[in-house]
Amino acid sequence: RKEVEQDPGPFNVPEGATVAFNCTYSNSASQSFFWYRQDCRKEPKLLMSVYSSGNEDGRFTAQLNRASQYISLLIRDSKLSDSATYLCVVNNQAGTALIFGKGTTLSVSS
Amino acid sequence: SQTIHQWPATLVQPVGSPLSLECTVEGTSNPNLYWYRQAAGRGLQLLFYSVGIGQISSEVPQNLSASRPQDRQFILSSKKLLLSDSGFYLCAWSGLSTGELFFGEGSRLTVL
Repeated sequence: RKEVEQDPGPFNVPEGATVAFNCTYSNSASQSFFWYRQDCRKEPKLLMSVYSSGNEDGRFTAQLNRASQYISLLIRDSKLSDSATYLCVVNNQAGTALIFGKGTTLSVSS
Repeated sequence: SQTIHQWPATLVQPVGSPLSLECTVEGTSNPNLYWYRQAAGRGLQLLFYSVGIGQISSEVPQNLSASRPQDRQFILSSKKLLLSDSGFYLCAWSGLSTGELFFGEGSRLTVL
């Protein structure tokens, strides 16, 4: 099982749509979880951390299910500017670095 | 504020040639430093990380090497490049090993 697996995508949605991305991770001892955003040919940037109780930042909501080793990201009222690749990130087995999923590509159209 | 710089931004190298990518961090001390690679159509792969001067951990076997000669300097090298070394190389730093990563703008390497 890969350390971090994500929906392959791409997701093509109209403006205003709600879209959800899922991610599973293999290391049950992982303690740190993040969603990063990467624009085409750019470096990844932190979108939000994921906390055990779930957390929200504007139109973005992240959820963590430790029992199922599952992370989700919900984007409400999609904007054109949300078009990007979303990376699920979890700390590694040794707890020394962050492991990235391959990413899910979102394309929002008008 | 902290900043991270890496260079060169783009390079095209022939197979068998050497490689040196450099990364420096400003505005913080004793950062954790990382090299990741993103090959076309693939995810970010952790190559090396360092928690201090001279301390390098390698995550995957390869013909690349890393060095940390100074606290805020991280260098990625190869003596002989392979075609499979092509990709987008990203340096990153973190204040904690499991905290937020801050990436440099990346170095796009094409090996021909």
